[in-house]
Amino acid sequence: DIVMTQTPLSSPVTLGQPASISCRSSQSLVHSDGNTYLSWLQQRPGQPPRLLIYKISNRFSGVPDRFSGSGAGTDFTLKISRVEAEDVGVYYCMQGTQFPRTFGQGTNVEIK
Amino acid sequence: EVQLVESGGGLVQPGGSLRLSCAASGFTFSNYGMCWVRQTPGKGLEWVSYISSSSSAIYYADSVKGRFTISRDNAKNSLYLQMNSLRDEDTAVYYCARGFTVNDYWGQGTLVTVSS
Repeated sequence: DIVMTQTPLSSPVTLGQPASISCRSSQSLVHSDGNTYLSWLQQRPGQPPRLLIYKISNRFSGVPDRFSGSGAGTDFTLKISRVEAEDVGVYYCMQGTQFPRTFGQGTNVEIK
Repeated sequence: EVQLVESGGGLVQPGGSLRLSCAASGFTFSNYGMCWVRQTPGKGLEWVSYISSSSSAIYYADSVKGRFTISRDNAKNSLYLQMNSLRDEDTAVYYCARGFTVNDYWGQGTLVTVSS
């Protein structure tokens, strides 16, 4: 199974300041079709997960442009350019390249 | 608007069975693969199972293989998860989600509690 490792596990951030979350996979996420199926999910308190970013850097419908994704191969990053109060929650990376699908442990973004 | 609504959760004794349902609307259900993902209380996400649009491809996590069965009824726009031989460690919120390599829409979840 592909192991997804996120750092940090907790990220206290000041409102208006940037935040960055790293995700590393135990093997390359490049699929045989040439795509890299790395997604980022947001889970606000008491809510289900919500797709933010797919295929490394594509923002899903309705996602603010302060969220961006980057990376390649086994190393990926989610950045929030200026954290807002509504961004509080847990962020997960997820790989859709190989079965079983696997998730990172989650990173808790909170306001300082 | 895409909607996924899970139902069927509840309290069940160890060794018991439960059948979860996921009602889909707002899109052509028969065109999409679907999956189940669970989340244990206060913990992270665990992928459980996937079924392709025509039910021709099915995958399970090792932790549920042989005990859980995923199925779908495209005429009823519904996804199912039959859970047998339930264990304490199956206690979780179960979400259905749309998609194969990317899960773009998720339901609100249904809580399954396995306890004597």
